[in-house]
Amino acid sequence: QQQVKQSPQSLIVQKGGISIINCAYENTAFDYFPWYQQFPGKGPALLIAIRPDVSEKKEGRFTISFNKSAKQFSLHIMDSQPGDSATYFCAASMGGGATNKLIFGTGTLLAVQP
Amino acid sequence: EPEVTQTPSHQVTQMGQEVILRCVPISNHLYFYWYRQILGQKVEFLVSFYNNEISEKSEIFDDQFSVERPDGSNFTLKIRSTKLEDSAMYFCASSVFQYSNQPQHFGDGTRLSIL
Repeated sequence: QQQVKQSPQSLIVQKGGISIINCAYENTAFDYFPWYQQFPGKGPALLIAIRPDVSEKKEGRFTISFNKSAKQFSLHIMDSQPGDSATYFCAASMGGGATNKLIFGTGTLLAVQP
Repeated sequence: EPEVTQTPSHQVTQMGQEVILRCVPISNHLYFYWYRQILGQKVEFLVSFYNNEISEKSEIFDDQFSVERPDGSNFTLKIRSTKLEDSAMYFCASSVFQYSNQPQHFGDGTRLSIL
């Protein structure tokens, strides 16, 4: 129940294309869903995040779509660029407790070809 | 922009030895975390820390692990007797509050290699 399932494991997209990464969760107590971007040798960096009372959030070329009834959320990268090539992790956390530990998905390695 | 700083970037240690990983969280942050990432795998929560106490720990964080905030700026993770399976990237993170919508900011990690 604490798991976040992420797919695909890897993704190759042409420059200018749309990259789509999907995540699913079981625990309805999760109330915060961030996406992190990680470049080789670096720590995860927060990209964009959403709460379950919102169905979509857009920041520049990055959009999160959230389907509460299906317990799924996805990251869309519009006009993908070679500089977007990185590993992307979805995550989830729940409020109301002593901590907001992040439960991470397994990651998606994105390669954007020029 | 303020950032989380971790040292060393790479630590090589013999099995059975003690190792201390160090972190300097963002200065106005109150909540601190350690996560682990085994090569090629997902990032896993180890422990959270607030007000000089552990708030939560995972099953990975056994008696061999301890955390400490020895002064007003550093946050450390100690592994008392390292095992081969402790080889991983260890990330420190911090946030202003513990509420779930407060972003956690990560350092660039310490690569721990156990020989």
